[in-house]
Amino acid sequence: EIVLTQSPGTLSLSPGERATLSCRTSQSVDSTYLAWFQQKPGQAPRLLIYATLNRATGIPDRFSGSGSGTDFTLAISRLEPEDFAVYYCQQYGSPWTFGQGTKVEIK
Amino acid sequence: QVHLVQSGVEVKKPGASVKVSCKATGFSLSDYGVSWVRQAPGEGLEWMGWISSYKGMTDFAQKFQGRVTLTTDTSTSAAYMDLRSLRSDDTAIYYCARVNYYYGTSMSMDVWGPGTTVIVSS
Repeated sequence: EIVLTQSPGTLSLSPGERATLSCRTSQSVDSTYLAWFQQKPGQAPRLLIYATLNRATGIPDRFSGSGSGTDFTLAISRLEPEDFAVYYCQQYGSPWTFGQGTKVEIK
Repeated sequence: QVHLVQSGVEVKKPGASVKVSCKATGFSLSDYGVSWVRQAPGEGLEWMGWISSYKGMTDFAQKFQGRVTLTTDTSTSAAYMDLRSLRSDDTAIYYCARVNYYYGTSMSMDVWGPGTTVIVSS
């Protein structure tokens, strides 16, 4: 099983700042099978990025994904109030696994 | 509009089974897979398994092997997750999600249901 480790656990930032979230995998992951999700309290997760760098339908361009091998990154260029949430990375190699999440909170 | 509609809250006793439904609207389950993910109170996301639209093939996380059954009924556009031998630590929100194959180039869970709360308590 591929273990995904996200860092930091919590990111405290102000609106307008840039957020950089890391996802490291215990084995190399095919970049076409790495995704990022956003989850707000009381809501279902929402797909942000698939295949490492492709934004899902309706996702604003301030969200970007990058990486390869065992190191992947989600960046939010300028935080909007609605971006404060928990973010999960996830891979699709059998069995599929999620990272433990990074909480982006208002500083 | 593309949506997944899930069944309502379930309260079960330990040892019982629960069957959660997930109805697709705005698209056909013949063209997409369905994945199931759960989230215990205050915890992260845990992948349980998925069922492919290709011959109904399934894959599961090891901890759920033998305890969960996934099915789809394309005639009613519904998917089902059946979890047996419930324990108190199965208390969670259970989400279904559409699995998009992107014409074979990638995969992702791109549409999610609102979740079904399952409470296991004696």
